[in-house]
Amino acid sequence: KAGVTQTPRYLIKTRGQQVTLSCSPISGHRSVSWYQQTPGQGLQFLFEYFSETQRNKGNFPGRFSGRQFSNSRSEMNVSTLELGDSALYLCASSLVEGRMNYGYTFGSGTRLTVV
Amino acid sequence: AQTVTQSQPEMSVQEAETVTLSCTYDTSESDYYLFWYKQPPSRQMILVIRQEAYKQQNATENRFSVNFQKAAKSFSLKISDSQLGDAAMYFCAQHGSSNTGKLIFGQGTTLQVKP
Repeated sequence: KAGVTQTPRYLIKTRGQQVTLSCSPISGHRSVSWYQQTPGQGLQFLFEYFSETQRNKGNFPGRFSGRQFSNSRSEMNVSTLELGDSALYLCASSLVEGRMNYGYTFGSGTRLTVV
Repeated sequence: AQTVTQSQPEMSVQEAETVTLSCTYDTSESDYYLFWYKQPPSRQMILVIRQEAYKQQNATENRFSVNFQKAAKSFSLKISDSQLGDAAMYFCAQHGSSNTGKLIFGQGTTLQVKP
């Protein structure tokens, strides 16, 4: 069974640009969530999508957005990049059945560097 | 509010010995899950163990086991017969059933395994 695939693995962008990151979940997983990991703030939740709908959102500015497609693949977009957006962005897919959650499987992440 | 606290930034253990990583949490939810994740330098988050809060029995996965004390809101991870490959950052995390897709992480504990 293929794992969670995130592309690209590394990205270097200039301040003010925008970036799109991609995440393909495990087949059959309809929940995809995104996290930002930095040395100072640790792991912070960005948002979660389920069946193309955003169900939950963390405390990030509107520059951070996402979407999910009918095949459960998800993208997140960051506009007007700032130096502080440099981080490892992780996505996780989850098999959710009702209130049961069987755990989150993470991808290898995208390392974003803003210069 | 949901919080997770790991009070040990770094721990070390001799190969083949046993080590316990501490984690405390707070939640207002009655139905929640607790997890331990391992993040090696390759940066992929790997699920180590999962505990459903309504189950009193402590979860075990081979050399990994937890001590789940629900009243004390404590969820420690015990690693037996430590191996060099266990060296990594370990994160404790919780997920409330009403907070879809959102994992709340602790600050992490770096585990060093000495040969």
